[in-house]
Amino acid sequence: AQKVTQAQTEISVVEKEDVTLDCVYETRDTTYYLFWYKQPPSGELVFLIRRNSFDEQNEISGRYSWNFQKSTSSFNFTITASQVVDSAVYFCALSEPNGLENSGYALNFGKGTSLLVTP
Amino acid sequence: DVKVTQSSRYLVKRTGEKVFLECVQDMDHENMFWYRQDPGLGLRLIYFSYDVKMKEKGDIPEGYSVSREKKERFSLILESASTNQTSMYLCASSLWTSGVWGSYNEQFFGPGTRLTVL
Repeated sequence: AQKVTQAQTEISVVEKEDVTLDCVYETRDTTYYLFWYKQPPSGELVFLIRRNSFDEQNEISGRYSWNFQKSTSSFNFTITASQVVDSAVYFCALSEPNGLENSGYALNFGKGTSLLVTP
Repeated sequence: DVKVTQSSRYLVKRTGEKVFLECVQDMDHENMFWYRQDPGLGLRLIYFSYDVKMKEKGDIPEGYSVSREKKERFSLILESASTNQTSMYLCASSLWTSGVWGSYNEQFFGPGTRLTVL
């Protein structure tokens, strides 16, 4: 079963519009992390944010903001006043215990949302 | 800056060939990962390693093997390449630190290798 759902496959907005990328996750664990990554056309994934399951405070970083709501199992990402450089594929990911002590936890990625910002 | 490098950006191989994809990180990370990325499917984990000579299967290990002889290097091996292994392959690494949250450190990704199997 898909653990991370990004229902929006593609979004197209005009520059300066605000846009929200949705992410819904599924886990039975109480301890987990959520991530957002950006993949620009160059291909290399860039880490944007990490949020642990016990911290539901919203976070803002410049034009980016994240809304974490455990009640709805969502971790949505909003870009305010979008710019052409924001055009990329954005991935939401979940990291949860895999039963191995002292191991790095692998990420379960959503299928990504392709954002196109036009001038 | 964390640097994860992959041996090739583009690779073309023939069906049945043995293929090696190399990944090197320079930040002394304990954990290394191999993913493949396909349109409409996102990133899927093939294998990961949390220490030298240690490996764990991910979601789609069939047709692949891995090798981690040195901490900085993690190789993905396609024993007999097939056309359905045509994909973008992404390597990542992350630091392990002690404590309940230590294993959730962010992963740093390489630029990817686009493999085409003819």
